[in-house]
Amino acid sequence: GNSVTQMEGPVTLSEEAFLTINCTYTATGYPSLFWYVQYPGEGLQLLLKATKADDKGSNKGFEATYRKETTSFHLEKGSVQVSDSAVYFCALSDRGGSYIPTFGRGTSLIVHP
Amino acid sequence: DADVTQTPRNRITKTGKRIMLECSQTKGHDRMYWYRQDPGLGLRLIYYSFDVKDINKGEISDGYSVSRQAQAKFSLSLESAIPNQTALYFCATSVKEETQYFGPGTRLLVL
Repeated sequence: GNSVTQMEGPVTLSEEAFLTINCTYTATGYPSLFWYVQYPGEGLQLLLKATKADDKGSNKGFEATYRKETTSFHLEKGSVQVSDSAVYFCALSDRGGSYIPTFGRGTSLIVHP
Repeated sequence: DADVTQTPRNRITKTGKRIMLECSQTKGHDRMYWYRQDPGLGLRLIYYSFDVKDINKGEISDGYSVSRQAQAKFSLSLESAIPNQTALYFCATSVKEETQYFGPGTRLLVL
C-alpha cells in the first residue's frame, strides 16, 4: 500500500534559520506529491505540489523537489519567519490507483523571534 | 465566503448520544472526504465519496456513518458517541487526485 513518512517534530528554529522537513514515500503507482500547512485553529491548506519526477513546487519561499529515485519530497525554506509556525503535512495521491490521498503524521514547526 | 464550510465548529456531547457533523462545499467538486485528526497521529480517513451514489469506508469507519445528500453536502454521524471519538474532524473536497480543499474543522468533545 501507499505510505508517507515525515520527520517527527517539533522542529524549533530561530527566525531567519534554514528549514528542512524530510518526507519519503512509498506508492504502488505514480503519485502526485503535496505539502499542506495547518496554521493554529485552521484547516489544512495547500502549500505546494509536484506531479512528476524532477518537478519543483514552490510557494511563499518554500520549495520541494519530486525525487523519484530516492522517493522523497523534502520541504525547504531558506529563511523562516515567526509567521511560518504551523504544522506541515506531506501527502501523496496515487494516480495509478484509487486516488485516495495518503498523509504523513505532520511536523510541527516553531519559529522563535 | 469559504468554499468548504463545516457545522458546528465546536461540539460537546455525552457518551451514547447521536450527533451529526455537516459539511457543505461550493467548489463543485465530486469528491468529498471526512478525516479525524488526533495529536501525533496525523489525519486518518473515515469515509469518502466519489459522487452522490458512491460512498466508501476509509481507514477508521467503525462507529461512524455518512450521508451524501447532494453533490455539495456530506454529513458524518456518530451513532452512539464514545470518549475516544473526541478529536478534530475535517471535511475535504477534491477533483480526482488533485489538491484537497479542507474545511475549518469541527472540534468534538465526548464526555
